[in-house]
Amino acid sequence: GQGVEQPDNLMSVEGTFARVNCTYSTSGFNGLSWYQQREGHAPVFLSYVVLDGLKDSGHFSTFLSRSNGYSYLLLTELQIKDSASYLCAVTMDSNYQLIWGSGTKLIIKP
Amino acid sequence: NAGVIQTPRHKVTGKGQEATLWCEPISGHSAVFWYRQTIVQGLEFLTYFRNQAPIDDSGMPKERFSAQMPNQSHSTLKIQSTQPQDSAVYLCASSRDRAFNQDTQYFGPGTRLLVL
Repeated sequence: GQGVEQPDNLMSVEGTFARVNCTYSTSGFNGLSWYQQREGHAPVFLSYVVLDGLKDSGHFSTFLSRSNGYSYLLLTELQIKDSASYLCAVTMDSNYQLIWGSGTKLIIKP
Repeated sequence: NAGVIQTPRHKVTGKGQEATLWCEPISGHSAVFWYRQTIVQGLEFLTYFRNQAPIDDSGMPKERFSAQMPNQSHSTLKIQSTQPQDSAVYLCASSRDRAFNQDTQYFGPGTRLLVL
């Protein structure tokens, strides 16, 4: 079957970093997106990757390995306000539909 | 740009009543998606439209849920005979044409539906 998997929870410390993992198994692949969702709010787009390797966007960086069906979102210099759920979603080849992971809830401790 | 607009923001219905949720996508976006989100199930795809045409409704509970997009500026999701298990946040999202090679979806604030 097709699916996108993420760990439920992740905890880290303010000022350090956090890596949010995402693994996927889909019959097609046209790219992978990361979204941030704060409590009580809708998901907000962060990044889109389609090529293998690391894409450095400053506070948020993303890595993709298509051969391994794996991506991660790296947050550096964590702030308390980075506490949120982070969702990854895979775009299939054949249509617009995104296959969503269930999200990882990131908690940042002082 | 006002973003995706959803109304109402909150709706409370009694069991068995009908609920209609509205979505206005971002102007110029050709695809409109409906999702529902609960703590237990997470984000669940319901249906989507492209250029107003229904493309995929595989996520829709067939018997009581229906969605329409009568024009490019709004879409509706109707739930007949609402049940307590329909309680969720219903999210609408829109995206631009795929020619941009990036299917970023822009979400509305959601409608929080509570069925008593």
